[in-house]
Amino acid sequence: DAKTTQPNSMESNEEEPVHLPCNHSTISGTDYIHWYRQLPSQGPEYVIHGLTSNVNNRMASLAIAEDRKSSTLILHRATLRDAAVYYCILRGNSGGSNYKLTFGKGTLLTVNP
Amino acid sequence: GAGVSQSPSNKVTEKGKDVELRCDPISGHTALYWYRQSLGQGLEFLIYFQGNSAPDKSGLPSDRFSAERTGGSVSTLTIQRTQQEDSAVYLCASSRDRGVTDTQYFGPGTRLTVL
Repeated sequence: DAKTTQPNSMESNEEEPVHLPCNHSTISGTDYIHWYRQLPSQGPEYVIHGLTSNVNNRMASLAIAEDRKSSTLILHRATLRDAAVYYCILRGNSGGSNYKLTFGKGTLLTVNP
Repeated sequence: GAGVSQSPSNKVTEKGKDVELRCDPISGHTALYWYRQSLGQGLEFLIYFQGNSAPDKSGLPSDRFSAERTGGSVSTLTIQRTQQEDSAVYLCASSRDRGVTDTQYFGPGTRLTVL
């Protein structure tokens, strides 16, 4: 499985933008880039996903490098509620096990008031 | 609508006892997954159901672990003869289907403590 690399932790101030990086240099052409986050004492929740083009939704934006070897999750205005572990996950469209999520260690985001 | 629910939320048991953990997925979701999250191990996949069938049980750590799903809905994860290393949060997720763009919705988890 293609692997992802994320910083262990990042810190932000409330109401400022946050850019969470993810490296995936061995990504294949059919791999989707997914982001999930896990708030304290909760199950993970979906944030966003993309393949090649940048994506926006109500929670965040996903910027994907042209060579797809890295991506950045952007929280436009961090709130205290955004403090969580953020996971960058690749899900391939080929092969037999594309249904499961393979979680790495993720990035622990701390938001300061 | 209702999300994924799990019960119990907490379970404390003694080593050697059997436990059953329950998952109620989102109605209409054909795919159901169990994951485990323990200190130092992160989130790991256990088993995947499509309907009532489990085509992938590769993540079950030992034959003490089993799971079933009935009526294409409720799933039960059973751990027999529990050991202390089984202590973890057990998370259930469901998705509309198994595709790479199908979002997995997670329940709140069951925290299992084996004394």
